Amino acid sequence: DGGITQSPKYLFRKEGQNVTLSCEQNLNHDAMYWYRQDPGQGLRLIYYSQIVNDFQKGDIAEGYSVSREKKESFPLTVTSAQKNPTAFYLCASSITGSGETQYFGPGTRLLVL
Amino acid sequence: GNSVTQMEGPVTLSEEAFLTINCTYTATGYPSLFWYVQYPGEGLQLLLKATKADDKGSNKGFEATYRKETTSFHLEKGSVQVSDSAVYFCALSLSAGNNRKLIWGLGTSLAVNP
Repeated sequence: DGGITQSPKYLFRKEGQNVTLSCEQNLNHDAMYWYRQDPGQGLRLIYYSQIVNDFQKGDIAEGYSVSREKKESFPLTVTSAQKNPTAFYLCASSITGSGETQYFGPGTRLLVL
Repeated sequence: GNSVTQMEGPVTLSEEAFLTINCTYTATGYPSLFWYVQYPGEGLQLLLKATKADDKGSNKGFEATYRKETTSFHLEKGSVQVSDSAVYFCALSLSAGNNRKLIWGLGTSLAVNP
């Protein structure tokens, strides 16, 4: 079945630690996205990539980093510079990144110990 | 700027009641409009979309009509079920220009009681 997978479902971070969230898609989509979701704030775009080896900052990129070495994969690293990382993180993809339908993974919940 | 405004929740209904969730937008150009649904603990799923004025999107008994004159895309369902309990997001995308991101509303939580 085609789709987007995210792992892990839950992730715990200690103070000063970097953690990486995985996102993989087998939909052959060119564009991929990372969103952060906090209660009452909707979805906020962290980073997006419209093609392999290229990505752009979204609205809240500070404290996060990404890579896009393969079309299928778009991992997100939450660095120690992100002082309030507790949130639900959603990965999405779309065919070309031209504002068409986005398809979402099941999400990763990040908690700080 | 471009924006989406949804009615605030939570919305609480009894089973078989009529549902309306209001969504209005501000946009330059000619946006496509979307409704997504998020069930508890899950990612978002596309519910329906419309790409031009007067288009009606429909899926699973939900409908929304793209009204350019009122800049609205209200979500409706004639008879809700307990299984419709979720958070609903309205979003727009623009068909021209360099900004190809989706613009999201804040979401409206719906709880349906048996």
